[in-house]
Amino acid sequence: DQQVKQNSPSLSVQEGRISILNCDYTNSMFDYFLWYKKYPAEGPTFLISISSIKDKNEDGRFTVFLNKSAKHLSLHIVPSQPGDSAVYFCAAMPLTGGGNKLTFGTGTQLKVEL
Amino acid sequence: DTAVSQTPKYLVTQMGNDKSIKCEQNLGHDTMYWYKQDSKKFLKIMFSYNNKELIINETVPNRFSPKSPDKAHLNLHINSLELGDSAVYFCASSRSTGNTIYFGEGSWLTVV
Repeated sequence: DQQVKQNSPSLSVQEGRISILNCDYTNSMFDYFLWYKKYPAEGPTFLISISSIKDKNEDGRFTVFLNKSAKHLSLHIVPSQPGDSAVYFCAAMPLTGGGNKLTFGTGTQLKVEL
Repeated sequence: DTAVSQTPKYLVTQMGNDKSIKCEQNLGHDTMYWYKQDSKKFLKIMFSYNNKELIINETVPNRFSPKSPDKAHLNLHINSLELGDSAVYFCASSRSTGNTIYFGEGSWLTVV
């Protein structure tokens, strides 16, 4: 039972354009969402997060949008750079009673081409 | 200066052996975790410790035993290794009052 889904296993974008990575969740108890970036042979690196009381959070080139009614979030990267090429994981957790238990999606491999 | 460090990074061992993976964090966090990424790339939580106390145990076989000697360390001991234990194991930490979890670089375990 996959509670966090990233339906696109891969995405290819040209340098300078916008990258949009999508994530859907099914558990209505989730109220905190995070995006992680992962390079090969390294651990996931925290990128950006959003709580369910917001619908948008921005940090430099990265913006996360949350649509609670649709149980959908997305990560926008603009402009995309070659160094952004990595696997991006969406993760979610309940803020109370969950013990900080993160549930991850299966990841989207982003390739930013020159 | 690595915030969450785990050793060894790579481990190849035979079925039936017992092995340990060590983890240390220097972030001053009081909660530590073990996650497993399997061959299908699913990242799933195994254990969570807060101030040396077990708070999450996700139906992991008894062959897996976490040990937390202090807040900064959470080691993972695996008995009687099986082929299906081959995976990448990630240690992580966070503040109990915070929601951002920081990961180590992973330990690639291969059981042959």
